[in-house]
Amino acid sequence: AQSVAQPEDQVNVAEGNPLTVKCTYSVSGNPYLFWYVQYPNRGLQFLLKYITGDNLVKGSYGFEAEFNKSQTSFHLKKPSALVSDSALYFCAVRGLGSGNTGKLIFGQGTTLQVKP
Amino acid sequence: KAGVTQTPRYLIKTRGQQVTLSCSPISGHRSVSWYQQTPGQGLQFLFEYFSETQRNKGNFPGRFSGRQFSNSRSEMNVSTLELGDSALYLCASSLRDSNYEQYFGPGTRLTVT
Repeated sequence: AQSVAQPEDQVNVAEGNPLTVKCTYSVSGNPYLFWYVQYPNRGLQFLLKYITGDNLVKGSYGFEAEFNKSQTSFHLKKPSALVSDSALYFCAVRGLGSGNTGKLIFGQGTTLQVKP
Repeated sequence: KAGVTQTPRYLIKTRGQQVTLSCSPISGHRSVSWYQQTPGQGLQFLFEYFSETQRNKGNFPGRFSGRQFSNSRSEMNVSTLELGDSALYLCASSLRDSNYEQYFGPGTRLTVT
């Protein structure tokens, strides 16, 4: 079965410090991996994806993520956090095969709190 | 381009009633997926439509159904509403499927009383 785990319910960082939001996955075959962010009372906004190629993926708003196949991880990172980055972050995976068509499997989400 | 739009944004219904939610995808996007978001279960996949055909379905009872029109707009219907159906229902569209990212609408907040 495919799954995504975000081991931290909440991550607290000070503004200007680097941030990391962790994600590990379990899927058969090569995964398609995504990060989304959700602000209160809003839908999910796409940040970045890994399909193939370089293990370091750059996305929107200065975010990047590192794909590590041996550790089955896809951690989200940002060199310098902003207060406006405070939100709920979701990691998602889509496996291959017709049974996974159009279906993203999400982690439980990690609340990022950036303090001034 | 305009983003994914969902109507209505908020809805209050009574147990036993039925409800229809609407989703208009980004222009040119042919795949529409629906998700239910609740505090307890998180984000769960409901179904996906492509070219008016349901290609995939999540683990939800038959009370949850959907359809897609020729212009790619999609609707989902929930019949015989239960209190547990209270949730944020999110629609997402993508260009096709495969490795294309999904773009989400703002959601419809359904409250069942």
